[in-house]
Amino acid sequence: AQSVSQHNHHVILSEAASLELGCNYSYGGTVNLFWYVQYPGQHLQLLLKYFSGDPLVKGIKGFEAEFIKSKFSFNLRKPSVQWSDTAEYFCAVNGNNRLAFGKGNQVVVIP
Amino acid sequence: NAGVMQNPRHLVRRRGQEARLRCSPMKGHSHVYWYRQLPEEGLKFMVYLQKENIIDESGMPKERFSAEFPKEGPSILRIQQVVRGDSAAYFCASSLNPAITGELFFGEGSRLTVL
Repeated sequence: AQSVSQHNHHVILSEAASLELGCNYSYGGTVNLFWYVQYPGQHLQLLLKYFSGDPLVKGIKGFEAEFIKSKFSFNLRKPSVQWSDTAEYFCAVNGNNRLAFGKGNQVVVIP
Repeated sequence: NAGVMQNPRHLVRRRGQEARLRCSPMKGHSHVYWYRQLPEEGLKFMVYLQKENIIDESGMPKERFSAEFPKEGPSILRIQQVVRGDSAAYFCASSLNPAITGELFFGEGSRLTVL
């Protein structure tokens, strides 16, 4: 079965700082990888996804993620965060026709 | 195009009562998933259904929990004889074809509180 690890559950940073959230997965087959975001009081929304091709994936709102197969990683990055990026971020891997999620990163951006 | 609709958004039950959570997938989606979210534990997969079929229920507790997705109407997650530990947010997601897109579209969740 697939599993996902996310570290540093709570992240606090100031506006304009750079953000990087780590994601490591384990799964024996071909993986599809996702980052979802959950803004306060809202449902999960897709930020970006990787299926194949260029391992550097660009998503919405200036986010990007890099798939490194040798490290089983799919880290999320944003060069300069805004207050509106305060949210919880979940990494997920698709295997066996369902998504397995990490525990999430609670990110708070201070104005 | 309406997204995934869940109701009720908030549900309060006393121990021993039953909870029924409903989910209407996005139009055209026939694949439905239920996840449970506890604070700082992420989303835990519970069950995957297609119309009239349970495909994977490996994440469902063996007792008191059941799910269905009838030919007509919403998917329902049913929890019998609720206990305090059942208090959580339950999210439903739907997909057009998970084998191809993999992407799930989520509802806003149903928050169950057991007193």
